[in-house]
Amino acid sequence: AQSVAQPEDQVNVAEGNPLTVKCTYSVSGNPYLFWYVQYPNRGLQFLLKYITGDNLVKGSYGFEAEFNKSQTSFHLKKPSALVSDSALYFCAVSLFTGGGNKLTFGTGTQLKVEL
Amino acid sequence: DAGVIQSPRHEVTEMGQEVTLRCKPISGHDYLFWYRQTMMRGLELLIYFNNNVPIDDSGMPEDRFSAKMPNASFSTLKIQPSEPRDSAVYFCASSFGHTIYFGEGSWLTVV
Repeated sequence: AQSVAQPEDQVNVAEGNPLTVKCTYSVSGNPYLFWYVQYPNRGLQFLLKYITGDNLVKGSYGFEAEFNKSQTSFHLKKPSALVSDSALYFCAVSLFTGGGNKLTFGTGTQLKVEL
Repeated sequence: DAGVIQSPRHEVTEMGQEVTLRCKPISGHDYLFWYRQTMMRGLELLIYFNNNVPIDDSGMPEDRFSAKMPNASFSTLKIQPSEPRDSAVYFCASSFGHTIYFGEGSWLTVV
């Protein structure tokens, strides 16, 4: 079984400050990890993924995430937050097998960036 | 590419009525997924297809739900009869490789 935990329901940060949205995972085997963002009344948009290789992955809109195998974490970060980053962020994990890429999502973290 | 296209975007229906949600995946993608999003349960995978064949429908809540994929460019999710607890956002998604791309969702309200 695979699972994802996003321990914070909401993260508040001032514009211009760095932001971190936390994610830990549990999976037997090598995980594939993803971050998605959801704006109000919209679908999920892919931000970035870790499959293999460099532990620091860079994605869309200046976001990055660091894969930490020993801590089973994949935290999302951005050096300088924008008000337009305010949205719902989902971490997801999967084991890509011959049967397809079944994503298991966390419960989501609402990010609020204030002026 | 236009992305994953879902219809209708919004539907309000009465309890007991049949609901059909439609999805056109991204051209060339070989996997198609149906997810449901609710406040209480978050994002749940209902069913997914590979090359039009259902692979795993263990997430389908009950027999009232059915999904089909008659060809590579079209899928439907049907609820018959619908109940108020089916009110949710239903997302279709498709992939070729690791990344799954989502549609904008079908917002279903059953009254």
